[in-house]
Amino acid sequence: DQQVKQNSPSLSVQEGRISILNCDYTNSMFDYFLWYKKYPAEGPTFLISISSIKDKNEDGRFTVFLNKSAKHLSLHIVPSQPGDSAVYFCAASGRYGGATNKLIFGTGTLLAVQP
Amino acid sequence: NAGVTQTPKFRVLKTGQSMTLLCAQDMNHEYMYWYRQDPGMGLRLIHYSVGEGTTAKGEVPDGYNVSRLKKQNFLLGLESAAPSQTSVYFCASSPHSHTQYFGPGTRLTVL
Repeated sequence: DQQVKQNSPSLSVQEGRISILNCDYTNSMFDYFLWYKKYPAEGPTFLISISSIKDKNEDGRFTVFLNKSAKHLSLHIVPSQPGDSAVYFCAASGRYGGATNKLIFGTGTLLAVQP
Repeated sequence: NAGVTQTPKFRVLKTGQSMTLLCAQDMNHEYMYWYRQDPGMGLRLIHYSVGEGTTAKGEVPDGYNVSRLKKQNFLLGLESAAPSQTSVYFCASSPHSHTQYFGPGTRLTVL
């Protein structure tokens, strides 16, 4: 039972255009969401996060939107650059099972930004 | 400040052999985690620790053991390796927050 879903395995966009990566979740106990970026042969690196009390968080070219009623979040990258080409993982966290700070990851979306 | 480091980077084992993966962090983080990444599966939590001397099971703990004898180190052991444990293993650490910081990974192949 996949609690965090990234239904698009891959996405290709032109340099300078907007990249939109989507993520859906099923567990209403999740209250914090993160995006990680991963290059080949490296570990994931934290990109941006959002708490469930907000619906938008922006950091430079990266913006995350959260729609709690739809249990959906998205990552917007504007403008996209070739260096953004990587796998992007959505992750969720919440107070459940008595443990803290555990992350549940989606399966990832491979973004390719074409020059 | 090296962050999170993992040893070794690569390893090939035969079925039934044992090995230990070492994770070290120099950020004085309380929480540490071990994940495995498989194609099409994302990252799945194996075991985690919320402090020195504590460990707990994650989503896929079978076939693995862990120890956290020192705050900065988190060891992942495979007592009898199986081909199903062929994967890329990532260690992560976290302060008292949701954000986790990952190591570069260990690529393990079990023949």
